Amino acid sequence: ETGVTQSPTHLIKTRGQQVTLRCSSQSGHNTVSWYQQALGQGPQFIFQYYREEENGRGNFPPRFSGLQFPNYSSELNVNALELDDSALYLCASSLGLAGHTGELFFGEGSRLTVL
Amino acid sequence: EDQVTQSPEALRLQEGESSSLNCSYTVSGLRGLFWYRQDPGKGPEFLFTLYSAGEEKEKERLKATLTKKESFLHITAPKPEDSATYLCAVRVTGANSKLTFGKGITLSVRP
Repeated sequence: ETGVTQSPTHLIKTRGQQVTLRCSSQSGHNTVSWYQQALGQGPQFIFQYYREEENGRGNFPPRFSGLQFPNYSSELNVNALELDDSALYLCASSLGLAGHTGELFFGEGSRLTVL
Repeated sequence: EDQVTQSPEALRLQEGESSSLNCSYTVSGLRGLFWYRQDPGKGPEFLFTLYSAGEEKEKERLKATLTKKESFLHITAPKPEDSATYLCAVRVTGANSKLTFGKGITLSVRP
């Protein structure tokens, strides 16, 4: 069984640039969520995708956008990067919209540094 | 607003010294409370899901319990490999799969 994989693992950008982070969900999972984790904080929900449509969004501005593809992989795009966007970005996959069992399976994350 | 508060922020134990981590929550309607373990630079690893007050779950040296206002993660005779950050999260009614996390508790176990 293949787990959740994310790329790249680390990247450095400058203010104003744009970034795309990628996630492959666990085999058989059709729901992908993205979380932002700042240093010393718990993960914060950005948004969730189910069957290629956004289904729930946290308190993040529109410059955070995403996609889910037919194979359930996903991308997180962030435009006009700000210093405060520096964080670990986590992708999590689950089976079903409601995630009945509650288990979200997380990837290792993408560490973004904005200079 | 749904809130999850974990305490203490950090805990240092001697190997074999049992203790408990606390997670208190204020939510509109609880659909589940979750514990995750996170090692430095890694993604959270699922430990337990609790759905109703009085429920308990165990895994090796860990035991999670739930009341109507809080959850405890009991660690019995911890080992250095139990050192990690332990995250508590809640799912509330109408929130689909969204989890609201606390800040985590950093546990260090000295040999």
